[in-house]
Amino acid sequence: AQTVTQSQPEMSVQEAETVTLSCTYDTSESDYYLFWYKQPPSRQMILVIRQEAYKQQNATENRFSVNFQKAAKSFSLKISDSQLGDAAMYFCAYRSADSNYQLIWGAGTKLIIKP
Amino acid sequence: DGGITQSPKYLFRKEGQNVTLSCEQNLNHDAMYWYRQDPGQGLRLIYYSQIVNDFQKGDIAEGYSVSREKKESFPLTVTSAQKNPTAFYLCASSRWDLNTEAFFGQGTRLTVV
Repeated sequence: AQTVTQSQPEMSVQEAETVTLSCTYDTSESDYYLFWYKQPPSRQMILVIRQEAYKQQNATENRFSVNFQKAAKSFSLKISDSQLGDAAMYFCAYRSADSNYQLIWGAGTKLIIKP
Repeated sequence: DGGITQSPKYLFRKEGQNVTLSCEQNLNHDAMYWYRQDPGQGLRLIYYSQIVNDFQKGDIAEGYSVSREKKESFPLTVTSAQKNPTAFYLCASSRWDLNTEAFFGQGTRLTVV
């Protein structure tokens, strides 16, 4: 069975600086998708970015980018120019056809932004 | 606007009672999901449904029941058999494709009193 591991329960960063959140996963599949979701204090889950496993190019969305290393099964999220509104829980998720398209979730990383 | 609506936002249950959490979506998504979130933990799947009148157990289905009589609706009942129901419950929906993300409701906070 696939698993997703987020080894950093909490991270903090100074406003305007860059922070990287780690995510590793375990799978024997070759075709899958990876997602980063944000859960702010309102608790609504919001998609931040996604990556297709067959694409070598790392996904980017404005200040958010990923470092996808398929061989290492690593999928880290980089937030540049951190803003106070980035403070939230961040969850990494894995989706594959073999798991009946289910999303497998990491435990989350709490990101604190220091003004 | 398209989206997912969960109600109520807060729910209080007496021990021994069944309660039902509502989830409605107007995104025309085939798949719907119920997750439980406890403090400091990720999401755990309770039930999911790919099509109307069909649903599957997730990792922690014991003490819960669902129905999927309409594509738009996927209510979750927390029964008295659920020993520790106090948690935050999230409903989600998605197309039944590998490459699509799930969209979430705003959640229901259930507390046993």
